[in-house]
Amino acid sequence: SAVISQKPSRDICQRGTSLTIQCQVDSQVTMMFWYRQQPGQSLTLIATANQGSEATYESGFVIDKFPISRPNLTFSTLTVSNMSPEDSSIYLCSAMGGSGNTIYFGEGSWLTVV
Amino acid sequence: QQQVKQSPQSLIVQKGGIPIINCAYENTAFDYFPWYQQFPGKGPALLIAIRPDVSEKKEGRFTISFNKSAKQFSLHIMDSQPGDSATYFCAAIDWAGAQKLVFGQGTRLTINP
Repeated sequence: SAVISQKPSRDICQRGTSLTIQCQVDSQVTMMFWYRQQPGQSLTLIATANQGSEATYESGFVIDKFPISRPNLTFSTLTVSNMSPEDSSIYLCSAMGGSGNTIYFGEGSWLTVV
Repeated sequence: QQQVKQSPQSLIVQKGGIPIINCAYENTAFDYFPWYQQFPGKGPALLIAIRPDVSEKKEGRFTISFNKSAKQFSLHIMDSQPGDSATYFCAAIDWAGAQKLVFGQGTRLTINP
């Protein structure tokens, strides 16, 4: 299995600021993804982080708001830009690895925007 | 067509009972169906998964039943324990196509002692 570490695990942010979330996987993985999970809700895919190229965003998510980097096969970052209270959510990094193309998740980054 | 519909939204079962969570899908291209367990304050953890060429898979107390013709699959938890209280998500992915996990809405399961 792949172990995924996210930083920060929790943060309180001021409206209008930006925060970058880091995701580190303990082994090389082919695919990495970023999800958002609002309290009590299901997971919504933000984008697929592509190594060495621009991320692929889902409908409703744009690069200017959620810039993503993936410089290598084990690391990715998600920035939440110009935050508003509506961005208060859990942001989850996931990666496909191991046998059988299993998708694993990190513990999440809990953001509260005030 | 990319949706996975999950029910019930919440479920309360007595210890030792067998909670059953159901999911249905439309996209016949889905070829991998995992279940995730999520405790409060934690990320989702893979519990068990099945491929459409198998009708049932068991891992410990957890069983997936899969009905390809009905496009439905379900999770059964045998001899449920209070420690199984969590939110459960079914999901599906089309590995040959979109390669993105599509999640159900989640079921909040409570096992009473």
